Amino acid sequence: EVQLVESGGGLVQPGRSLRLSCTASGFTFGDYAMSWVRQAPGKGLEWVGFIRSKAYGGTTEYAASVKGRFTISRDDSKSIAHLQMNSLKTEDTAVYYCSRDRGWLGVWGQGTLVTVSS
Amino acid sequence: EIVMTQSPATLSVSPGERATLSCRASQSVSSNLAWYQQKPGQAPRLLIYGASTRATGIPARFSGSGSGTEFTLTISSLQSEDFAVYYCQQYNSWPPRAFGQGTKVEIK
Repeated sequence: EVQLVESGGGLVQPGRSLRLSCTASGFTFGDYAMSWVRQAPGKGLEWVGFIRSKAYGGTTEYAASVKGRFTISRDDSKSIAHLQMNSLKTEDTAVYYCSRDRGWLGVWGQGTLVTVSS
Repeated sequence: EIVMTQSPATLSVSPGERATLSCRASQSVSSNLAWYQQKPGQAPRLLIYGASTRATGIPARFSGSGSGTEFTLTISSLQSEDFAVYYCQQYNSWPPRAFGQGTKVEIK
């Protein structure tokens, strides 16, 4: 079964850091690009960023709202993608989803909640 | 940056009726458009990609059409499990991979 499982969410103070993980199973993780998408409480979906597969350089792209603060990485040997979030703001509070990216987002994890509050 | 606009914000439909949801792009995205369904407390689910190709396991009552800047998601006969929020997303010109703001389909 193709599956993505996010972990690492929780309550964090403004200005602090948090690292989310996305563990994949059921497919060859290294063959795919991965995206992170977030959803603030009661709001719509916001694309956060993307990492290409190693075959396409493993490079990253980010939304303007997180560029310079968030970093996406991947460890293909462990089938894991990470979202490193620094200098967190209250407006970063959201459920964070990872997804398998082929342009369209065909597989999604269940999400992990990040709450930024003092 | 491409902006995606969905209409209406809320659509009230009776079970068994047809629902038509619209998505407009601020500039052409060719056919690089996907639709997602999201139910409360759940992750989004891919319905349509390439503007008109149903994802694996998606019932035939869901259909997508359009190209360029105007797109439509049609649910031919609404079932109880179809009441949800629907999002469009372009992947033609990015970053960002822009989503529309969503259309909530509710029971009339």
